[in-house]
Amino acid sequence: DIVMTQSPDSLAVSLGERATITCKSSQSVLYNSNNKNYLAWYQQKPGQPPKLLIYWASTRESGVPDRFSGSGSGTDFTLTISSLQAEDVAVYYCQQYYNTPRTFGQGTKVEIK
Amino acid sequence: QVQLQESGPGLVKPSETLSLSCTVSGGSIRSYYWSWIRQPPGKGLEWIGYIYYSGNTYYNPSLKSRVTISVDTSKNQFSLKMSSVTAADTAVYYCTRDESLWYFDLWGRGTLVTVSS
Repeated sequence: DIVMTQSPDSLAVSLGERATITCKSSQSVLYNSNNKNYLAWYQQKPGQPPKLLIYWASTRESGVPDRFSGSGSGTDFTLTISSLQAEDVAVYYCQQYYNTPRTFGQGTKVEIK
Repeated sequence: QVQLQESGPGLVKPSETLSLSCTVSGGSIRSYYWSWIRQPPGKGLEWIGYIYYSGNTYYNPSLKSRVTISVDTSKNQFSLKMSSVTAADTAVYYCTRDESLWYFDLWGRGTLVTVSS
């Protein structure tokens, strides 16, 4: 199985400031034949199911604010919230879909400082 | 819009079989893949398995011996059965729409299943 490791486990950021979460996969999730990274990001607010934010490492799902962006390739990926809002308090997960079984990172909790 | 709703017992005894259903409303179950994912309290996400509307399935090898996923297109439902449950199977179980076996773009609200005598 591909192991997904996120860092940090939690972070506290002031309102309006940038939040950066990293996700590292134990093997590359870049499919060379189409040059796509098989990686998604989800947001889970307390008491709610996860919500898809980003897929193909950098494509925002419809309706997701543009303050959320994804980057990276191969084994190293980043989710950035450019200007943290109160409603962004949540746990964020990365997920690889390069291999079966699909696996998730352990989650990163984002709080307001 | 398409919505998913899990249903089933919230309490299951150890060694018994967990049974959940997911009803798809606002759209057809056809032409999509559908997955079950679970989340133990306070922990991360684990993919359990998927089913295609035609009935093709694939399970997480870690759970394969205990899991069966089925589909009923006439009811727009798919279901999960997990046998020989233990306390380690206590979790919120989510049904999801599985976009082309890539990412999960729609989620049910989840249902907590507790394994306890």
